[in-house]
Formats: sequence, structure tokens, C-alpha cells
Amino acid sequence: DAGVIQSPRHEVTEMGQEVTLRCKPISGHDYLFWYRQTMMRGLELLIYFNNNVPIDDSGMPEDRFSAKMPNASFSTLKIQPSEPRDSAVYFCASSLLGQGGEKLFFGSGTQLSVL
Amino acid sequence: AQKVTQAQTEISVVEKEDVTLDCVYETRDTTYYLFWYKQPPSGELVFLIRRNSFDEQNEISGRYSWNFQKSTSSFNFTITASQVVDSAVYFCALKYAGNMLTFGGGTRLMVKP
Repeated sequence: DAGVIQSPRHEVTEMGQEVTLRCKPISGHDYLFWYRQTMMRGLELLIYFNNNVPIDDSGMPEDRFSAKMPNASFSTLKIQPSEPRDSAVYFCASSLLGQGGEKLFFGSGTQLSVL
Repeated sequence: AQKVTQAQTEISVVEKEDVTLDCVYETRDTTYYLFWYKQPPSGELVFLIRRNSFDEQNEISGRYSWNFQKSTSSFNFTITASQVVDSAVYFCALKYAGNMLTFGGGTRLMVKP
């Protein structure tokens, strides 16, 4: 089975530009998570979806960030306009509802650099 | 408040040494799950183990072992006879009500030949 697929692996953009990160979860998984990893703040949960519906977006930094999940096999995280402090590794992860202790499967991440 | 603390930010050992990575958690929930993930230099987070709050049995998997103690809210991870390939950042994580996973700050382990 293919794992969680993220694209692009690396993104370099200039401040003010729009950035779109993409994620394809594992087929059949009904939870999808977006995490951000920085040296200063570690791994932070930004938002998560259940059956394509956003459940908790309290971790989204500000209105410049938005996430969508139009169907069970695709999600996007958009930053508009981007700022240098958004530079980080963004991870997508998915899991399957069960007894509560399901492990998350992570993608390889997108390394974002905003100049 | 739900919180995971990994007090050791960086550990350096010589190959074949044993090493223990500490993890202390805080939660008010009686039902919760604890995890360890490994992040090698390639960057991807790799699942290592999951433990639920009702199962305090220690677990051993090859050179890896985990010690879960509810009395001290700790879930420590020991690597026996460390190898260079064990060099990575290791994250302890807590999953409580809902489906949210809270990570500790990570411990960077460097195993030198």
C-alpha cells in the first residue's frame, strides 16, 4: 500500500506569494491531520479532518492559513500571503477510526522556505 | 492540561552503549494513549510503539524496550547496544480525548561509531 503522499517535497517562495501544499492520505483512512514542525515550536497540530469535515482548526496560526479536504483522497493547506516565519516542515498524517489508539501514518513532509 | 515533556534535548553515545530516552506526560483523562515516533535524517516520522493507559506491561522489541509507569506519568524508551542507524530524533506523544496527538519536544540521539 502507498503511504501518505505529500507534494511538493520542497517549496521555495518569496514573501507575499501564495503557497499550496498537497496531501493524499492512505486509502480508507478517515482522519487527516496537518502538522507543522519548527525548531522553536516543535511539532504543532494545525488542523484535522474526520470524513472530510474539519473538526479542530484551533492550531491554525492565523487567517492566512486555510485547509480543505474536498474528498476522501485529497487535502490542501494554503498560505496566502506567505511570510518568512511560515518557513517550516509541514507534515500530513492520516489514521483510521477504531478504538482510539490508532497510530498516525505520516507523509514525508514539505519543506517550505519563504524568502 | 495535556502535555508531554522530553527533558533531554540531545544525547550523544558511543555505539554499543545502552541509552534511555525519558518521557513524562500530563493528562487528566483516565483513558489515553502514548506513542513513540522516530524521525531519521530523511525527515519522515516513523511509528515505533503505542501503549494504552490500562496496559502498564513493559514491552521489548529487539533492542528496543519501553517502561510505562503511571505512578510517575512516565513512558521511557531504552535502546540496548545502540547502533549508528539509531541516530535520529525521537518523539514521545500523547493521544487523549478526541483524536489529537500532542508531541513532546523530541530528543536528538547521536550514536557515534
